[in-house]
Amino acid sequence: EAGVTQSPTHLIKTRGQQATLRCSPISGHTSVYWYQQALGLGLQFLLWYDEGEERNRGNFPPRFSGRQFPNYSSELNVNALELEDSALYLCASSLERLMNTEAFFGQGTRLTVV
Amino acid sequence: QKEVEQNSGPLSVPEGAIASLNCTYSDRGSQSFFWYRQYSGKSPELIMFIYSNGDKEDGRFTAQLNKASQYVSLLIRDSQPSDSATYLCAAETGANNLFFGTGTRLTVIP
Repeated sequence: EAGVTQSPTHLIKTRGQQATLRCSPISGHTSVYWYQQALGLGLQFLLWYDEGEERNRGNFPPRFSGRQFPNYSSELNVNALELEDSALYLCASSLERLMNTEAFFGQGTRLTVV
Repeated sequence: QKEVEQNSGPLSVPEGAIASLNCTYSDRGSQSFFWYRQYSGKSPELIMFIYSNGDKEDGRFTAQLNKASQYVSLLIRDSQPSDSATYLCAAETGANNLFFGTGTRLTVIP
């Protein structure tokens, strides 16, 4: 069974541009989570999607946005890129609420803003 | 105030010893707790999760939860060099978010 897959693996953008990151959850999983892991920092929660709806977002500005498609895959968009957006962006999926089960991570997209 | 705190380490143990990793959390509403292992440059991989007070064992790994003390730990028995990684503790806050600690770097010395 395929795990969580993310694309692209690496992405280089210039400041001010937009970045689009993609995630396919494990088959059967309806919840998708996005996290940012900047160098030397812990994982910071960005967004949670479930059944096509944004359910919660972390403490990030509105230029971080996303969506979840009918097939439960998800997209993270980062507008007006800033240098400090350079980080590993991780997607995770779960079968149901995290109090009852675990989340599995994809391999991540490393975004570099120059 | 940090939600989840871990000693950043590094923690060094000799091969075959027990490695003890600790984590405290601030939100008493946290329901479930997770331990992930992250190798350098890789994504986190789940080791185990626990939501009841007490111990939960899986192979060489034992997670311990004490909700009264707001304390979670992970014991790794018979530590191997391949266990060398950063271990992330995470708490589910009741809002279906995972709050992660900054991780403890473990080095197992052959």
